[in-house]
Amino acid sequence: QKEVEQDPGPLSVPEGAIVSLNCTYSNSAFQYFMWYRQYSRKGPELLMYTYSSGNKEDGRFTAQVDKSSKYISLFIRDSQPSDSATYLCAMSAGTYKYIFGTGTRLKVLA
Amino acid sequence: GAVVSQHPSRVICKSGTSVKIECRSLDFQATTMFWYRQFPKQSLMLMATSNEGSKATYEQGVEKDKFLINHASLTLSTLTVTSAHPEDSSFYICSARPSGSTDTQYFGPGTRLTVL
Repeated sequence: QKEVEQDPGPLSVPEGAIVSLNCTYSNSAFQYFMWYRQYSRKGPELLMYTYSSGNKEDGRFTAQVDKSSKYISLFIRDSQPSDSATYLCAMSAGTYKYIFGTGTRLKVLA
Repeated sequence: GAVVSQHPSRVICKSGTSVKIECRSLDFQATTMFWYRQFPKQSLMLMATSNEGSKATYEQGVEKDKFLINHASLTLSTLTVTSAHPEDSSFYICSARPSGSTDTQYFGPGTRLTVL
């Protein structure tokens, strides 16, 4: 079993839809949870950074962490074609070593 | 802020040659930098953790004599792929953790290595 599981997609949605991206994990020591966006042939860009459980909102993006269920989510409101990318979740137990999910490919159709 | 650059962005080399990739934090100091490898449509796999002024820590299965890492300053780390072979062709990405920060990493744009 992988430490972090993420559906690779692709996930196709119409422009303006609410997108829900998810990851599950098995290591209860994870405390830091990140979401990165990666465009093709580019490096990952940090979108959201969350410590422990709870919600965090930044513009159209909302990150949720449920440590009791070992489940994290990223919601994108009013999705745009420019949001089309691969979204990677990453987690850390505070040792600076990140464990990444495989990434979910998102396509927002105009 | 928090910009990380990599050079070169793309390199093609012949089998048996060595290739050096530079990773720079442009607007912050980074005590720790990380090197990742990413195959097409796969996630990032950590290769090694580089700490300024000390030896790098390599992940299991990564040959330290093949992937030489030097972190000589708080803004620069280099990865040298020695005696490169076609199976070393990949996308190499570095990240940097700002000194004194919490567990945050900022990534470079990546280097596409193709070994013929």
